[in-house]
Amino acid sequence: DGGITQSPKYLFRKEGQNVTLSCEQNLNHDAMYWYRQDPGQGLRLIYYSQIVNDFQKGDIAEGYSVSREKKESFPLTVTSAQKNPTAFYLCASMPGGSYNEQFFGPGTRLTVL
Amino acid sequence: SQQGEEDPQALSIQEGENATMNCSYKTSINNLQWYRQNSGRGLVHLILIRSNEREKHSGRLRVTLDTSKKSSSLLITASRAADTASYFCATDDYNDYKLSFGAGTTVTVRA
Repeated sequence: DGGITQSPKYLFRKEGQNVTLSCEQNLNHDAMYWYRQDPGQGLRLIYYSQIVNDFQKGDIAEGYSVSREKKESFPLTVTSAQKNPTAFYLCASMPGGSYNEQFFGPGTRLTVL
Repeated sequence: SQQGEEDPQALSIQEGENATMNCSYKTSINNLQWYRQNSGRGLVHLILIRSNEREKHSGRLRVTLDTSKKSSSLLITASRAADTASYFCATDDYNDYKLSFGAGTTVTVRA
């Protein structure tokens, strides 16, 4: 089965703690993306990576960090510097080379207690 | 930054009726895409229309694109309860591989 997976589905964190969200894909896609979605709103881009060992900031990168050491993996760390981290986080991937649809994972809902 | 804006924000229709939603955007685009999101889930791609296309069909979906007005519409014909979801338009430009999403239209199909 090809697809994109995110874990965990639900995550609870205490204020002041860093937390890492996992995103893995076996679609052999070059590009990967992280989005944040708040209730009743659209998606906002946090970080994206078009190739291994390279990534760029999106519109709301402050308080987040990423790495892209392997083609299939693009973990997102929500740091304690992120002032309002409670949200639904979506990971997506896309074949490289030309513009196509993005394939989304099921999402991780992060709640800060 | 959010490029697309969907209208209306919410739509409630009876099963069997058609649902139409619109998307407006600000700057020139390469492609425009429509996605569906069921509550609490990831997004699913519905259709992609290129800037040189005016209309595209996929099953019960019909998408139009008017680049002179910077707007697109999504029509769902003969709606079903399973069409209850939020629908988002997303645009990309010529310079990079990023998508800009609108805030979405929430569609409720009543049985």
